[in-house]
Amino acid sequence: AQSVTQLDSQVPVFEEAPVELRCNYSSSVSVYLFWYVQYPNQGLQLLLKYLSGSTLVKGINGFEAEFNKSQTSFHLRKPSVHISDTAEYFCAVSDGRSARQLTFGSGTQLTVLP
Amino acid sequence: DTAVSQTPKYLVTQMGNDKSIKCEQNLGHDTMYWYKQDSKKFLKIMFSYNNKELIINETVPNRFSPKSPDKAHLNLHINSLELGDSAVYFCASSQRTMDEAFFGQGTRLTVV
Repeated sequence: AQSVTQLDSQVPVFEEAPVELRCNYSSSVSVYLFWYVQYPNQGLQLLLKYLSGSTLVKGINGFEAEFNKSQTSFHLRKPSVHISDTAEYFCAVSDGRSARQLTFGSGTQLTVLP
Repeated sequence: DTAVSQTPKYLVTQMGNDKSIKCEQNLGHDTMYWYKQDSKKFLKIMFSYNNKELIINETVPNRFSPKSPDKAHLNLHINSLELGDSAVYFCASSQRTMDEAFFGQGTRLTVV
Protein backbone atom coordinates (compact mmCIF):
# COMPACT_ATOMS: atom_id res chain seq x y z
CA ALA A 1 0.00 0.00 0.00
CA GLN A 2 1.11 3.54 -0.62
CA SER A 3 0.37 6.75 1.24
CA VAL A 4 1.16 10.44 1.04
CA THR A 5 1.58 12.92 3.87
CA GLN A 6 1.50 16.64 3.33
CA LEU A 7 2.84 18.07 6.50
CA ASP A 8 1.33 21.55 6.29
CA SER A 9 -2.36 22.09 5.74
CA GLN A 10 -1.94 25.85 5.29
CA VAL A 11 1.04 27.93 4.24
CA PRO A 12 0.75 31.71 4.21
CA VAL A 13 3.59 33.58 2.52
CA PHE A 14 4.21 37.12 1.33
CA GLU A 15 4.41 37.92 -2.34
CA GLU A 16 7.90 37.49 -3.87
CA ALA A 17 9.05 35.33 -0.95
CA PRO A 18 10.23 31.75 -1.50
CA VAL A 19 8.00 28.84 -0.53
CA GLU A 20 8.38 25.13 0.12
CA LEU A 21 5.44 22.75 0.37
CA ARG A 22 6.38 19.47 1.98
CA CYS A 23 5.38 16.00 0.87
CA ASN A 24 6.44 12.63 2.21
CA TYR A 25 5.35 9.29 0.83
CA SER A 26 5.51 5.66 1.75
CA SER A 27 5.55 2.77 -0.67
CA SER A 28 7.09 -0.66 -0.80
CA VAL A 29 7.96 -0.33 -4.48
CA SER A 30 9.25 2.26 -6.90
CA VAL A 31 6.96 5.23 -7.26
CA TYR A 32 5.92 7.93 -9.61
CA LEU A 33 5.35 11.26 -7.89
CA PHE A 34 3.21 14.22 -8.86
CA TRP A 35 2.20 17.67 -7.74
CA TYR A 36 -1.18 18.99 -8.77
CA VAL A 37 -2.64 22.47 -8.24
CA GLN A 38 -6.30 23.28 -7.75
CA TYR A 39 -7.39 26.89 -8.18
CA PRO A 40 -10.66 27.91 -6.54
CA ASN A 41 -13.67 26.19 -8.07
CA GLN A 42 -11.58 24.45 -10.69
CA GLY A 43 -10.29 20.98 -11.41
CA LEU A 44 -6.78 19.74 -10.76
CA GLN A 45 -3.94 20.68 -13.05
CA LEU A 46 -0.60 18.90 -13.20
CA LEU A 47 2.33 21.06 -12.04
CA LEU A 48 5.12 18.54 -12.42
CA LYS A 49 5.94 14.86 -12.16
CA TYR A 50 8.82 12.54 -11.36
CA LEU A 51 8.94 9.26 -13.22
CA SER A 52 12.69 8.53 -13.33
CA GLY A 53 16.03 10.16 -14.07
CA SER A 54 17.07 13.51 -12.61
CA THR A 55 15.80 13.98 -9.10
CA LEU A 56 15.21 17.70 -9.66
CA VAL A 57 12.06 18.20 -11.65
CA LYS A 58 10.94 21.49 -13.13
CA GLY A 59 7.30 22.22 -13.75
CA ILE A 60 5.02 24.94 -14.93
CA ASN A 61 4.69 28.41 -13.40
CA GLY A 62 8.25 28.37 -12.04
CA PHE A 63 7.73 25.47 -9.62
CA GLU A 64 10.23 22.70 -9.07
CA ALA A 65 10.45 19.65 -6.82
CA GLU A 66 13.20 17.36 -5.68
CA PHE A 67 12.81 13.64 -5.27
CA ASN A 68 14.74 12.35 -2.27
CA LYS A 69 14.55 8.58 -2.08
CA SER A 70 16.39 8.22 1.22
CA GLN A 71 14.03 10.64 2.93
CA THR A 72 11.01 9.51 0.90
CA SER A 73 10.19 13.12 0.15
CA PHE A 74 9.09 15.16 -2.84
CA HIS A 75 8.97 18.76 -1.66
CA LEU A 76 7.68 21.50 -3.94
CA ARG A 77 9.50 24.82 -4.15
CA LYS A 78 9.24 28.18 -5.82
CA PRO A 79 11.84 30.92 -5.34
CA SER A 80 9.41 33.82 -5.62
CA VAL A 81 5.64 33.48 -5.39
CA HIS A 82 2.91 35.63 -6.89
CA ILE A 83 -0.60 36.40 -5.74
CA SER A 84 -1.84 34.18 -8.57
CA ASP A 85 -0.14 31.15 -6.96
CA THR A 86 -2.78 31.14 -4.23
CA ALA A 87 -4.38 27.71 -4.55
CA GLU A 88 -4.59 24.23 -3.05
CA TYR A 89 -1.62 22.00 -3.85
CA PHE A 90 -1.81 18.22 -3.83
CA CYS A 91 1.03 15.75 -3.78
CA ALA A 92 0.22 12.33 -5.27
CA VAL A 93 1.95 8.99 -5.67
CA SER A 94 1.44 6.12 -8.04
CA ASP A 95 3.33 2.86 -7.72
CA GLY A 96 4.83 1.00 -10.63
CA ARG A 97 2.47 -1.95 -10.43
CA SER A 98 -0.97 -0.42 -10.16
CA ALA A 99 0.26 2.58 -12.04
CA ARG A 100 -3.16 3.86 -13.00
CA GLN A 101 -4.21 4.64 -9.46
CA LEU A 102 -3.11 7.87 -7.84
CA THR A 103 -3.11 8.29 -4.08
CA PHE A 104 -3.36 11.90 -3.00
CA GLY A 105 -2.20 13.73 0.08
CA SER A 106 -4.61 15.88 2.05
CA GLY A 107 -3.54 19.07 0.30
CA THR A 108 -1.77 22.29 1.29
CA GLN A 109 -3.51 25.61 0.94
CA LEU A 110 -0.96 28.17 -0.22
CA THR A 111 -2.05 31.75 0.40
CA VAL A 112 0.12 34.49 -1.03
CA LEU A 113 -0.28 37.78 0.81
CA PRO A 114 0.36 41.20 -0.72
CA ASP B 1 -11.07 22.26 -26.60
CA THR B 2 -11.71 20.60 -23.23
CA ALA B 3 -9.75 17.42 -22.62
CA VAL B 4 -11.94 15.99 -19.84
CA SER B 5 -15.43 17.40 -19.49
CA GLN B 6 -18.06 16.69 -16.89
CA THR B 7 -21.71 17.60 -16.75
CA PRO B 8 -23.38 19.03 -14.86
CA LYS B 9 -21.07 21.38 -13.02
CA TYR B 10 -23.55 21.79 -10.17
CA LEU B 11 -26.20 19.35 -9.04
CA VAL B 12 -28.65 19.94 -6.20
CA THR B 13 -31.04 17.14 -5.39
CA GLN B 14 -33.13 15.66 -2.60
CA MET B 15 -32.31 12.67 -0.47
CA GLY B 16 -33.43 9.39 -1.95
CA ASN B 17 -33.17 10.52 -5.56
CA ASP B 18 -31.10 8.81 -8.25
CA LYS B 19 -28.74 10.94 -10.30
CA SER B 20 -26.02 10.63 -12.90
CA ILE B 21 -22.90 12.60 -13.71
CA LYS B 22 -21.46 12.35 -17.19
CA CYS B 23 -17.81 12.39 -18.16
CA GLU B 24 -16.15 12.45 -21.54
CA GLN B 25 -12.48 12.58 -22.52
CA ASN B 26 -11.10 13.36 -25.96
CA LEU B 27 -7.48 12.46 -25.18
CA GLY B 28 -7.62 8.90 -26.43
CA HIS B 29 -6.73 7.60 -22.97
CA ASP B 30 -7.51 4.04 -22.07
CA THR B 31 -8.24 4.52 -18.39
CA MET B 32 -10.77 6.73 -16.63
CA TYR B 33 -11.43 7.42 -12.97
CA TRP B 34 -13.85 8.93 -10.55
CA TYR B 35 -12.61 10.74 -7.47
CA LYS B 36 -14.57 12.19 -4.58
CA GLN B 37 -13.36 15.36 -2.87
CA ASP B 38 -14.89 15.96 0.53
CA SER B 39 -15.49 19.23 2.35
CA LYS B 40 -11.91 19.17 3.68
CA LYS B 41 -10.64 18.84 0.10
CA PHE B 42 -9.38 15.31 0.64
CA LEU B 43 -9.36 13.40 -2.66
CA LYS B 44 -10.26 9.75 -2.64
CA ILE B 45 -10.40 7.44 -5.62
CA MET B 46 -13.71 5.72 -6.15
CA PHE B 47 -13.18 3.77 -9.37
CA SER B 48 -10.66 3.22 -12.06
CA TYR B 49 -11.82 1.63 -15.31
CA ASN B 50 -10.57 0.61 -18.69
CA ASN B 51 -12.06 -1.70 -21.25
CA LYS B 52 -10.61 -4.68 -19.45
CA GLU B 53 -11.10 -4.14 -15.79
CA LEU B 54 -13.02 -2.18 -13.23
CA ILE B 55 -11.26 -1.54 -9.95
CA ILE B 56 -13.56 -0.48 -7.17
CA ASN B 57 -12.44 1.09 -3.94
CA GLU B 58 -13.93 -1.22 -1.35
CA THR B 59 -15.12 1.71 0.76
CA VAL B 60 -17.45 2.98 -1.97
CA PRO B 61 -21.10 2.08 -1.28
CA ASN B 62 -22.74 -0.07 -3.94
CA ARG B 63 -25.21 2.76 -4.52
CA PHE B 64 -22.45 4.19 -6.71
CA SER B 65 -21.85 2.56 -10.06
CA PRO B 66 -19.78 3.54 -13.08
CA LYS B 67 -21.13 3.00 -16.57
CA SER B 68 -18.93 3.15 -19.64
CA PRO B 69 -20.75 3.13 -22.99
CA ASP B 70 -17.40 3.45 -24.79
CA LYS B 71 -13.74 4.16 -24.19
CA ALA B 72 -14.22 7.94 -24.12
CA HIS B 73 -17.03 8.03 -21.56
CA LEU B 74 -17.37 7.02 -17.93
CA ASN B 75 -20.59 8.09 -16.25
CA LEU B 76 -21.29 7.88 -12.55
CA HIS B 77 -24.70 6.73 -11.36
CA ILE B 78 -25.76 7.24 -7.79
CA ASN B 79 -28.86 5.62 -6.34
CA SER B 80 -30.76 6.61 -3.21
CA LEU B 81 -28.71 9.72 -2.54
CA GLU B 82 -27.78 10.51 1.05
CA LEU B 83 -26.71 13.73 2.73
CA GLY B 84 -23.18 12.35 3.11
CA ASP B 85 -22.86 12.05 -0.65
CA SER B 86 -22.54 15.83 -0.88
CA ALA B 87 -19.08 16.50 -2.29
CA VAL B 88 -17.25 17.47 -5.45
CA TYR B 89 -16.83 14.57 -7.85
CA PHE B 90 -13.97 14.62 -10.32
CA CYS B 91 -13.59 12.58 -13.43
CA ALA B 92 -10.06 11.95 -14.74
CA SER B 93 -8.27 9.96 -17.41
CA SER B 94 -4.76 8.76 -18.05
CA GLN B 95 -2.68 6.99 -20.63
CA ARG B 96 -1.42 3.55 -19.73
CA THR B 97 2.24 4.32 -19.70
CA MET B 98 2.35 7.94 -18.61
CA ASP B 99 0.41 7.76 -15.36
CA GLU B 100 -0.38 11.47 -15.52
CA ALA B 101 -4.05 12.00 -14.83
CA PHE B 102 -6.02 14.77 -16.52
CA PHE B 103 -8.95 16.02 -14.49
CA GLY B 104 -12.29 17.47 -15.36
CA GLN B 105 -13.62 20.65 -13.72
CA GLY B 106 -15.61 18.74 -11.14
CA THR B 107 -19.29 18.36 -10.30
CA ARG B 108 -20.44 19.86 -7.03
CA LEU B 109 -23.21 17.60 -5.72
CA THR B 110 -25.40 18.91 -2.92
CA VAL B 111 -27.94 16.59 -1.37
CA VAL B 112 -30.66 18.32 0.65
